[in-house]
Amino acid sequence: GDKVKQSPSALSLQEGTNSALRCNFSIAATTVQWFLQNPRGSLINLFYLVPGTKENGRLKSAFDSKESYSTLHIRDAQLEDSGTYFCAAGVSNTNKVVFGTGTRLQVLP
Amino acid sequence: AQTIHQWPVAEIKAVGSPLSLGCTIKGKSSPNLYWYWQATGGTLQQLFYSITVGQVESVVQLNLSASRPKDDQFILSTEKLLLSHSGFYLCAWSLREQYFGPGTRLTVL
Repeated sequence: GDKVKQSPSALSLQEGTNSALRCNFSIAATTVQWFLQNPRGSLINLFYLVPGTKENGRLKSAFDSKESYSTLHIRDAQLEDSGTYFCAAGVSNTNKVVFGTGTRLQVLP
Repeated sequence: AQTIHQWPVAEIKAVGSPLSLGCTIKGKSSPNLYWYWQATGGTLQQLFYSITVGQVESVVQLNLSASRPKDDQFILSTEKLLLSHSGFYLCAWSLREQYFGPGTRLTVL
């Protein structure tokens, strides 16, 4: 099965509303990164986390390694937030990185 | 500032033909380097990583090989392309968090 499962797989939001994306890990993740992939395929770095929380503008992320999950909260969604969000887990004691299944987000005017 | 360049931008190749994709990182000394593959609509799959010149570790077998001939260069290649090699290839570097290049879109016919 998927070692890093993201939920929901797809989401449509009205502009100005809030959302929460989640990653559940079935591997020993020691770090998490969150990316936004735009329609051209470019990956935009959002957060890099060791266990804890970070906030940047309208975005906030948390990583709990003991409970094996990470979340990404988007506040006051804007049209430019549309795209596919990926989390990526750094695997303990390796240089391996496992990407999640992705969440396709569409923000509607 | 660090820059990561991938070439070519896109490629259309015949089944059975050889392939070479390149990645160059400027502005960072001795980074970890990675190759990823992404099927259309899918997630990213880590293929290879390298922590130093001349050393490459394979993460998944896809009839591809990788080499790191210089500190700032990472090459992905195969002697015979398969239809299943079609997709989006991304190179990344890290000292801690990963940063991705713009990608190469490969179509195998």
